[in-house]
Amino acid sequence: KAGVTQTPRYLIKTRGQQVTLSCSPISGHRSVSWYQQTPGQGLQFLFEYFSETQRNKGNFPGRFSGRQFSNSRSEMNVSTLELGDSALYLCASSKTGTDTGELFFGEGSRLTVL
Amino acid sequence: GENVEQHPSTLSVQEGDSAVIKCTYSDSASNYFPWYKQELGKGPQLIIDIRSNVGEKKDQRIAVTLNKTAKHFSLHITETQPEDSAVYFCAAWMDSSYKLIFGSGTRLLVRP
Repeated sequence: KAGVTQTPRYLIKTRGQQVTLSCSPISGHRSVSWYQQTPGQGLQFLFEYFSETQRNKGNFPGRFSGRQFSNSRSEMNVSTLELGDSALYLCASSKTGTDTGELFFGEGSRLTVL
Repeated sequence: GENVEQHPSTLSVQEGDSAVIKCTYSDSASNYFPWYKQELGKGPQLIIDIRSNVGEKKDQRIAVTLNKTAKHFSLHITETQPEDSAVYFCAAWMDSSYKLIFGSGTRLLVRP
C-alpha cells in the first residue's frame, strides 16, 4: 500500500514569498497532521486535520495555514516567508488521529528561504 | 506549559552495548507515549509505544518504561547494532491541549 506522499520534496523561496506544500495520506486515513522540523528543535506541531476540519493547531503565527480536502489530501500554506521558516515540513497521516495510535510520516518537504 | 524534554541530545555507543534515552513530560494527564526513529532522509517511523496503564513494554531488543508519578519515560535498546544509528524522538499525548508533543530528539551512533 502506498505511503504518505509529500510534494514538492525540495524548494527554494525568497523572503516575502508564499509557499504551498501538499500531502497525500495513506488511503483510508482521515487524519493529517503537519510538523516543522528544525535542527535542535525536534518536531514542532503545526496543525491536525480530520475529515476536513482543523482539530487543533500549534503555536505558530497566522502566516501558517492549512486545509484538508474531501479525499483527505491536505495542503499547508506559509505566506510572507521569513528566513526562520527554513525547515523540513513533515506530514503524517493516521486512521483516527494523533491521540490514538501510529502516525505514518512522509519524507518531508525541505523549504529553504533565502 | 506543554513540554517534553529529551536527553541526551547525542549518544555514542559501541556495537553490542545498550543505549538509554530519557524523556520527561509536563502534563500529568498524558496517557500515550510513542517513540519514533528517523533515519537519514526519511520521515520518522514508530518503533514502540506505551499507554499509561502499563509500566513497561518490550519488543525484541527495544523496551520502554514509564513512571507516571515522576512523569518520565525511557527507551532502552539492548545489543545495539549499526543499523540502530538514527535520530530517536519521544512524544507524549497532551490531554490538556489535545496535541502530540515531541521531544527534541537524540542522535544515536552505534560504532562497529
